[in-house]
Amino acid sequence: DVKVTQSSRYLVKRTGEKVFLECVQDMDHENMFWYRQDPGLGLRLIYFSYDVKMKEKGDIPEGYSVSREKKERFSLILESASTNQTSMYLCASGDSGRTPYEQYFGPGTRLTVT
Amino acid sequence: AQSVTQLDSHVSVSEGTPVLLRCNYSSSYSPSLFWYVQHPNKGLQLLLKYTSAATLVKGINGFEAEFKKSETSFHLTKPSAHMSDAAEYFCVVYNTNAGKSTFGDGTTLTVKP
Repeated sequence: DVKVTQSSRYLVKRTGEKVFLECVQDMDHENMFWYRQDPGLGLRLIYFSYDVKMKEKGDIPEGYSVSREKKERFSLILESASTNQTSMYLCASGDSGRTPYEQYFGPGTRLTVT
Repeated sequence: AQSVTQLDSHVSVSEGTPVLLRCNYSSSYSPSLFWYVQHPNKGLQLLLKYTSAATLVKGINGFEAEFKKSETSFHLTKPSAHMSDAAEYFCVVYNTNAGKSTFGDGTTLTVKP
């Protein structure tokens, strides 16, 4: 089975802190994604990566950056956390060689910024 | 451009009765469509996917979805609800050219005993 793990299930950070969310997948997938999930808004794509050191902005990249130094690991960085970044963050991975294209999700990190 | 509309934010059914979760989509291309389920405090799990090989798609846990191009719909059904089906469900359209997915806002399914 594909496994996508996220470094923390729950995080509490203070406004202005730099925050790192880590995601690791074990299926050698090319593509990895970061989403945030808010009630009534579904999932919104923050960034995605289709290869090591490659990244593309999603629909809501402002206030976030990403890093992908190794194929299995994709990090989301909040340079200076703000209260409006309190949310559930979901990482996903997928094999671009499969059609139609499906994603495998981690359990999520619930981040609270105070 | 592509979009997904889940027509109901909440659906409540009694155990043993049918489930219908509605999804309409808009896509400039032949769409790839998915339904995911999210149980409380868990990540999303794939229920089923539309491959264009058949318009009626069978998924896990007894769920099905029918692709209707003329109605631009991909509704999710199950003949008989179980308590364990209580969760949030997301309809998703994948844009091959853009390399990314668009998620609906989700439908919360409640199953009453």
